[in-house]
Amino acid sequence: EPEVTQTPSHQVTQMGQEVILRCVPISNHLYFYWYRQILGQKVEFLVSFYNNEISEKSEIFDDQFSVERPDGSNFTLKIRSTKLEDSAMYFCASTQGTFYEQYFGPGTRLTVT
Amino acid sequence: QKEVEQNSGPLSVPEGAIASLNCTYSDRGSQSFFWYRQYSGKSPELIMFIYSNGDKEDGRFTAQLNKASQYVSLLIRDSQPSDSATYLCAVNLNTGFQKLVFGTGTRLLVSP
Repeated sequence: EPEVTQTPSHQVTQMGQEVILRCVPISNHLYFYWYRQILGQKVEFLVSFYNNEISEKSEIFDDQFSVERPDGSNFTLKIRSTKLEDSAMYFCASTQGTFYEQYFGPGTRLTVT
Repeated sequence: QKEVEQNSGPLSVPEGAIASLNCTYSDRGSQSFFWYRQYSGKSPELIMFIYSNGDKEDGRFTAQLNKASQYVSLLIRDSQPSDSATYLCAVNLNTGFQKLVFGTGTRLLVSP
């Protein structure tokens, strides 16, 4: 069964450093997303990506964040200068469209020290 | 503010019982509705999704949608201890790009 994959599973970084989180969405899906979940809190939308451009972003997704689809399979989230409050689980998700399932990857636990 | 509301629980049921989980949403334009199961430290795992009024059944799970009343529910029949997890309700807003808005989740505890 197709699945969303993410690497790394855990990333530890120092405040101010850049991190890149990687995702491989399901191959025939058209919409890609990043969500995050701070420990003990709900899952929050960060950004959606369709047709090789950002289609929607939340208030959380400021200038420190960027996304890219560098090739036909990978989808990345970059945080340029990490802050302590960026520590969270980051989930990638993908779907074919409105009336289709949206599947989540296993997540990357980002710890900023 | 588009919101999704769930009772945080915990909801405790004995093994073999029916667990009933509820969710309300504020945006009448919402188009599709998802139930995810999340074990501690893991990612959301899709259980059911529904977009038409009425019931949708898949094995031990039944999702119910009432758009007029703006609620969606999940019934789990013959609950098992392995069903103990947090159940997340998520709503696909009518924005055109399918982003999901999540509730805080209901913690379900199934006792043997």
